[in-house]
Amino acid sequence: GENVEQHPSTLSVQEGDSAVIKCTYSDSASNYFPWYKQELGKRPQLIIDIRSNVGEKKDQRIAVTLNKTAKHFSLHITETQPEDSAVYFCAARRGGSYIPTFGRGTSLIVHP
Amino acid sequence: GAVVSQHPSWVICKSGTSVKIECRSLDFQATTMFWYRQFPKQSLMLMATSNEGSKATYEQGVEKDKFLINHASLTLSTLTVTSAHPEDSSFYICSASGVVGYGYTFGSGTRLTVV
Repeated sequence: GENVEQHPSTLSVQEGDSAVIKCTYSDSASNYFPWYKQELGKRPQLIIDIRSNVGEKKDQRIAVTLNKTAKHFSLHITETQPEDSAVYFCAARRGGSYIPTFGRGTSLIVHP
Repeated sequence: GAVVSQHPSWVICKSGTSVKIECRSLDFQATTMFWYRQFPKQSLMLMATSNEGSKATYEQGVEKDKFLINHASLTLSTLTVTSAHPEDSSFYICSASGVVGYGYTFGSGTRLTVV
């Protein structure tokens, strides 16, 4: 089955800095890669996703890049703000499947 | 669109009792619903997948007699934790999907505390 590795487990940055979270996946049939943000005690919220026919996608301060050959994808957050503090999960899902496989999560702490 | 409601948001129960958690898709028909468990500072662990009108498929290591799942309609799935024990205390989250390849929406989660 799919295996998703996520690094780092904890990331601490100063407000205004950039943050990068990296994930690798094992199943070459995976073609959909969502990223979720989860605040304490709340549900994971989809913040951005990318499909395998695209190499990069950007939405305001967040962007995701995908390298299919290397089987890795990354989340980039620029100009971080304290409200970006949360746990971020990457996921990978193969075509024809409902179920994404989640990474272990990255706890992002943005210090004011 | 794609709203999933989960109830209750938190519950405290005594050891040995059963607790039912509901997951509803409000604006779409969820052919498949999923139940996750999440321990503090850990990732989402898939417990089971349920399809409307059929028996749930449980992940390895999940006791199907302890975690009863019913998906009686296209908009409602329930998880019943039977004979709950303190080690069952956790954050339980459902998710729902209507069509393969689209929309994977999480419910608001239920914090279960067994005392």
